[in-house]
Amino acid sequence: EAQVTQNPRYLITVTGKKLTVTCSQNMNHEYMSWYRQDPGLGLRQIYYSMNVEVTDKGDVPEGYKVSRKEKRNFPLILESPSPNQTSLYFCASSRATRTDTQYFGPGTRLTVL
Amino acid sequence: RKEVEQDPGPFNVPEGATVAFNCTYSNSASQSFFWYRQDCRKEPKLLMSVYSSGNEDGRFTAQLNRASQYISLLIRDSKLSDSATYLCVVNIYPGGFKTIFGAGTRLFVKA
Repeated sequence: EAQVTQNPRYLITVTGKKLTVTCSQNMNHEYMSWYRQDPGLGLRQIYYSMNVEVTDKGDVPEGYKVSRKEKRNFPLILESPSPNQTSLYFCASSRATRTDTQYFGPGTRLTVL
Repeated sequence: RKEVEQDPGPFNVPEGATVAFNCTYSNSASQSFFWYRQDCRKEPKLLMSVYSSGNEDGRFTAQLNRASQYISLLIRDSKLSDSATYLCVVNIYPGGFKTIFGAGTRLFVKA
């Protein structure tokens, strides 16, 4: 089954404790992206990757890191989480064509205390 | 001003009604356009792509006006199962591509 998986699905952590949210896709997509969704603000793009070793900032990259060492994986790293990073996070992938649609993972609900 | 703006909603309509959603975008580098649907706390899923010639998929019709930088979605004969949040999405290509989502418009269809 074609899918995007994220882990963990739910996470409660404390300020300053480094964490990684994994994202994996089995569709051989070149493009992958991370979003956060907050009430009233909609989804905002954090980082995206056009292919292995190619990443770029979205609209809200501060406080986040990403890496793309393999085509299928695109982990999101929070080196020192803060309460304002409490949010619902989605990973997505697509072929890297201008008209192609994105397939989303199920989301990760992160709470930073 | 937000790069992609949608009707704030919510829209409350009876079953069988026709409902229209509007969306405007501000970045002229915008290259591709979509409507996604999101059910409560679930992942967004593609409803339809939007083309300049307009396109239709069953009860759903999408239109794009590049000159006015305006996108619309029309739902005819609304069903209870159409209740969801509808997201207007724009891809922008400054070399790579960025994706900008509208804040979404919530639709409630009632029996």
